[in-house]
Amino acid sequence: GAVVSQHPSRVICKSGTSVKIECRSLDFQATTMFWYRQFPKKSLMLMATSNEGSKATYEQGVEKDKFLINHASLTLSTLTVTSAHPEDSSFYICSARDRRGGAGRIGELFFGEGSRLTVL
Amino acid sequence: GDSVTQMEGPVTLSEEAFLTINCTYTATGYPSLFWYVQYPGEGLQLLLKATKADDKGSNKGFEATYRKETTSFHLEKGSVQVSDSAVYFCALRDDKIIFGKGTRLHILP
Repeated sequence: GAVVSQHPSRVICKSGTSVKIECRSLDFQATTMFWYRQFPKKSLMLMATSNEGSKATYEQGVEKDKFLINHASLTLSTLTVTSAHPEDSSFYICSARDRRGGAGRIGELFFGEGSRLTVL
Repeated sequence: GDSVTQMEGPVTLSEEAFLTINCTYTATGYPSLFWYVQYPGEGLQLLLKATKADDKGSNKGFEATYRKETTSFHLEKGSVQVSDSAVYFCALRDDKIIFGKGTRLHILP
């Protein structure tokens, strides 16, 4: 089946530094990728939707200057947590929609394995 | 706005027991409904889906029926196995995907 790869799977950084997380669709092209944040014992929260070649659409309450999203190609989206702080520590998950879904159909979503960020 | 409510866990069952994880939703449109599963140490995987009322999604012995009249999409399995231990997320998708909080399932041998 389709595979979405996230890297790194775990990252520990110092407060004030920036961290980049990559999301790649390995065997399909994804016009749309989504970034989620998972809080302990809580649901997945959609942070933003990124479309290849255009600016990401951020959900209400998500700081676009803090969580920079770039979708430079049909197989790669990146999330950069800038000037990270301990409260940014979380599990970040990306998903990619197979572009073969087509107009009027919902292309299946495939999820990465997540990246656990710990900010000291 | 749209939302998904699923039963809180953890749910602990013995092997071969019957499983039900309740899920209800509110939506202004006509969403598609999904169950995702997250096995320990792995990412989310689509378990099953239903795109319209009365559709039944099924996979790996799990079933869920899209009930518009009760706005529900309960997950069921007749006989669970230890390997079913995971976190299960109910989700709906209208213009964006919205997840429930997840239900952790423990199956005891």
